Amino acid sequence: KAGVTQTPRYLIKTRGQQVTLSCSPISGHRSVSWYQQTPGQGLQFLFEYFSETQRNKGNFPGRFSGRQFSNSRSEMNVSTLELGDSALYLCASSLAFRGREKLFFGSGTQLSVL
Amino acid sequence: DAKTTQPPSMDCAEGRAANLPCNHSTISGNEYVYWYRQIHSQGPQYIIHGLKNNETNEMASLIITEDRKSSTLILPHATLRDTAVYYCIVRVDDAGNMLTFGGGTRLMVKP
Repeated sequence: KAGVTQTPRYLIKTRGQQVTLSCSPISGHRSVSWYQQTPGQGLQFLFEYFSETQRNKGNFPGRFSGRQFSNSRSEMNVSTLELGDSALYLCASSLAFRGREKLFFGSGTQLSVL
Repeated sequence: DAKTTQPPSMDCAEGRAANLPCNHSTISGNEYVYWYRQIHSQGPQYIIHGLKNNETNEMASLIITEDRKSSTLILPHATLRDTAVYYCIVRVDDAGNMLTFGGGTRLMVKP
């Protein structure tokens, strides 16, 4: 079974631009969540989707948004990029959103904002 | 979710057991204890989880104290490839996948 796939693996953007990152969950998984990882703040929760509905949202500005499609694939968008948005963005999928469900993470998208 | 406390770093000799402690003294009855690890530049990898009883799988064993206020992840025969940051997380069953990652323990397995 294929794992969680994130594209692209690396991305370089400049301040003020916007970016869209993609995540394909494991087949059959309906829950997708996104995390941002930086050296200073560690791993922080961005948002979670289940059956195309956002269930939870972390403490990030409105420039960070996401969506989930009917096939469970998810995208996240960051508008008006800032230098501080440089980070590893990780996507995770699970069968459902219960605490008893394991999360499977992708390898992430490394975003650099210049 | 309950807060967890882990030592920032630990060393272990290759071939020996690695015992990684985690304190979660404010854990409530419906919170699971999860362990993930992250090897540099990769996404976190699920290791094991439990609610009350000790658990074992092909990767590790999880020992949860009777009062559930602490747990220990045991890697029985550590190898160099086990060098990683290990995260202990507690999750409420119906709170979704909004995990709170702490600083974790950086395990260095040495030859």
